[in-house]
Amino acid sequence: ETGVTQTPRHLVMGMTNKKSLKCEQHLGHNAMYWYKQSAKKPLELMFVYNFKEQTENNSVPSRFSPECPNSSHLFLHLHTLQPEDSALYLCASSQVKGAKGNTIYFGEGSWLTVV
Amino acid sequence: ELKVEQNPLFLSMQEGKNYTIYCNYSTTSDRLYWYRQDPGKSLESLFVLLSNGAVKQEGRLMASLDTKARLSTLHITAAVHDLSATYFCAVGTGNQFYFGTGTSLTVIP
Repeated sequence: ETGVTQTPRHLVMGMTNKKSLKCEQHLGHNAMYWYKQSAKKPLELMFVYNFKEQTENNSVPSRFSPECPNSSHLFLHLHTLQPEDSALYLCASSQVKGAKGNTIYFGEGSWLTVV
Repeated sequence: ELKVEQNPLFLSMQEGKNYTIYCNYSTTSDRLYWYRQDPGKSLESLFVLLSNGAVKQEGRLMASLDTKARLSTLHITAAVHDLSATYFCAVGTGNQFYFGTGTSLTVIP
């Protein structure tokens, strides 16, 4: 079992649909992240949760709605998306307190296509 | 906002050759990370560099950090095809991680 698990791996949705991406981390970390990776663009940080509290929202449109019910689970709720939202959505986790060099671990990603 | 720049963006190199990827960042940080991403896959952690002058090596890859110059390098020695991937550097501050644009490396036989 990998440290950070994302489901579904692939999702095709219409612009009027509502769907959710799910992420679960098994590493005992206390921070979780959503990143968006589009072709030919840098990784874009979307949301950061630290001890279940949202600490960062990088001007993400409201059609993306995160939810973090506990330190191990993170959701990204999707509603009325646009075709330009098609991308790879990466969930990640890290340990905020503790050893200085704690790295960020990524899930396999969810490939989203909006049609 | 902290900015991270990598160059080159694309790199095509022959097997057996050496090359260096550069990562510059805009403000002070004490943590620098290198990741590898294969096509269609997630990001895999390669190195964590925590102090000025830090050098880490794994196989044909060696990473170094100069915090005064705000520069990290990833040196590839005697490249092999298996190293073909996209390499990202990332700078950490607090619980934030800022990623570079990535360097797409293709090793040609």
